[in-house]
Amino acid sequence: DQQVKQNSPSLSVQEGRISILNCDYTNSMFDYFLWYKKYPAEGPTFLISISSIKDKNEDGRFTVFLNKSAKHLSLHIVPSQPGDSAVYFCAAKQRGSQGNLIFGKGTKLSVKP
Amino acid sequence: DSGVTQTPKHLITATGQRVTLRCSPRSGDLSVYWYQQSLDQGLQFLIQYYNGEERAKGNILERFSAQQFPDLHSELNLSSLELGDSALYFCASAPVQDFPDTQYFGPGTRLTVL
Repeated sequence: DQQVKQNSPSLSVQEGRISILNCDYTNSMFDYFLWYKKYPAEGPTFLISISSIKDKNEDGRFTVFLNKSAKHLSLHIVPSQPGDSAVYFCAAKQRGSQGNLIFGKGTKLSVKP
Repeated sequence: DSGVTQTPKHLITATGQRVTLRCSPRSGDLSVYWYQQSLDQGLQFLIQYYNGEERAKGNILERFSAQQFPDLHSELNLSSLELGDSALYFCASAPVQDFPDTQYFGPGTRLTVL
């Protein structure tokens, strides 16, 4: 039973436009959400996070939105750049856990010049 | 470069064999997490150590075990290997055990079981 779902395996966006990556979750005990970016042959790299008590967190070109009632979060990248092409993983931490993360299967973003 | 090193990068072995994957955390990080990424799957948490002690267990098979040594490096031992154990194995380190922002991932070990 997948607790974190990324329903779009891939997304293609034109350079300069907005990329929106979506993530749904089922566990109401999640209290922290993160996005990781992964290039081929490298480990995941932390990108941005949001606490469950917030609905938005922004860091430069990256903004994460959390809709708790819908159990949905999204990552917005504006403007998208070719270097953003990577696999993006949504992850969640359960309240009371030791910090181990539950990951979605990832969305492969391709930003075309 | 995250500062987390994993060896070997690639490992090819046969069913029934045993292998050991090694992880050196970032300098000063006390916590080590192990994750498995199978084909078309997200990363699945296996086990966590903090300062030498096991702190959390996820979907880790009984055939798998891990430990963290006094110098804080960690080893993941996989035994009686099956074809389905073929995957990417990542370790991540963090300075404290419950702040997920600060998990830094290594480049992974790709295990192929033939």
